[in-house]
Amino acid sequence: DIQMTQSPSSLSASVGDRVTITCRSSQSISSYLNWYQQRPGKAPKLLIYGASNLQSGVSSRFSGSGSGTDFTLTISSLQPEDFATYYCQQTYSTGTFGQGTRVEFK
Amino acid sequence: QLQLQESGSGQVKPSQTLSLTCAVSGGSISSGDFFWSWIRQPPGKALEWIGDIFQSVTTNYNPSLKSRVTISVDRSKNQFSLKLSSVTAADTAVYYCARGSSGYNALDYWGQGTLVTVSS
Repeated sequence: DIQMTQSPSSLSASVGDRVTITCRSSQSISSYLNWYQQRPGKAPKLLIYGASNLQSGVSSRFSGSGSGTDFTLTISSLQPEDFATYYCQQTYSTGTFGQGTRVEFK
Repeated sequence: QLQLQESGSGQVKPSQTLSLTCAVSGGSISSGDFFWSWIRQPPGKALEWIGDIFQSVTTNYNPSLKSRVTISVDRSKNQFSLKLSSVTAADTAVYYCARGSSGYNALDYWGQGTLVTVSS
């Protein structure tokens, strides 16, 4: 089974900050890596698919990069609505999620 | 606009079978190369992928749940279903249905989720 490890598990940031979340897979998954945002009590929302492709309708302040085993989600300038939990998911083999990264107000 | 809506029993007794249905509206479950998926989230914990079904026939399951899970499609009702047998308290979670697409099986449409509690 492919394991996904996100870091950090939580972070504190301010509006306007540049935020980076990393996700590492236990084996190569090419670009089969997706990122989701989940606000409390809501269903997750797709942000990035295929490691670096911005989902339609998602703000361009979100970007993704990486391939193989190491991936990054970057929020260029954190906005109030971005305080949420972020998950990576590999779909190279089945569909494992990372454990999540909670982005909180500093 | 595609919409997905979960329904089913909100409470299941230990050792029994959890059954949920996801009704799809605004599009046909039979069209396109989509993966119709189930994901769950125990209270306060991370998302867990349960499995999916492709073209109404091919299923993929989380290895840790495979022996207890069945996902199927009812084309006539434009819906798909999840059955999870021999449940325990560890199966208490919000269960989501979703559609996977774009070649990377990214989950682009989600239901709102339904809480299932396993308790006697």
